[in-house]
Amino acid sequence: QSALTQPASVSGSPGQSITISCTGTSSDVGGANHVSWYQQHPGKVPKPIIYEVSNRPAGVSNRFSGSKSGNTASLTISGLQAEDEADYYCTSHTSSGTWVFGGGTKLTVL
Amino acid sequence: EVQLVESGGDLVQPGGSLRLSCAASGFTFSSYWIHWVRQGPGKGLVWVSSIRGDGNDRSYADSVKGRFTISRDNAKNTLYLQMNSLRAEDTAVYYCTRGGYPVVTPAEYWGQGTLVTVSS
Repeated sequence: QSALTQPASVSGSPGQSITISCTGTSSDVGGANHVSWYQQHPGKVPKPIIYEVSNRPAGVSNRFSGSKSGNTASLTISGLQAEDEADYYCTSHTSSGTWVFGGGTKLTVL
Repeated sequence: EVQLVESGGDLVQPGGSLRLSCAASGFTFSSYWIHWVRQGPGKGLVWVSSIRGDGNDRSYADSVKGRFTISRDNAKNTLYLQMNSLRAEDTAVYYCTRGGYPVVTPAEYWGQGTLVTVSS
C-alpha cells in the first residue's frame, strides 16, 4: 500500500494553467478509472473536485479537469485564481479492495 | 442534507485504546460504503479503513491492520472505529467519509473530523 506519487509543490501565476500528476501502478491508478481528486484549504475539510478520473461534482468550476494515461492521472487547473491556492490530493481504488492517497501537492499562486 | 459527525477523539497514552464514532444523517446509511481517513499534523491524507453498507465487507490499511476494527450499526446510523494498541504515529485528525454512488469514490462527503493524540 505505497502512497501514490505527487509533486510536493507546484506554482503558477494568475490566469495560467498548471497540471498536477499522480503516479501509481497497474494495481491502482492504471487498473481502473477510480481516481478522485480533493482540494484542501488550510484548516479546512477536503473538498472533492474530480471523481472517476475526469468527472466534476456539481458546483465545481470547469476550470478543474482530470485525465489519465497509463499509471498516471493528472489534474489540470486552468485560469489560475488566488483562491485555488491549496493542497491537492489524488486517491485511487486498488485491486486489493483498498484505497490509497497521494502524498499531496501544495499549489502556490504567485 | 448529508451530515457526518465524528466524536470520541481524545488524548491517550501509547498502547491505549479509543473508540471513535460517526453519526450519519440525511441519506440511507445502510446503502453506502463508509470510510475512515486520517491526517497527521501537517501531513497528508491517509486512507485507514472501509466498510460496506451491510457491514459484511471491510478493509484496512496495512498500518492499522490487526489493531483497528471498523464496524457499523445501521439501526443507529452510526459508524465506529475501535482503535487498540495505539502508537504515536496514529496521532491525527480522523475523518469519517461517505462513499459515492453510482460514482466510485471514497469521499463524496466528509465530516469535520475528530482529533486523536497519542502521547505520554
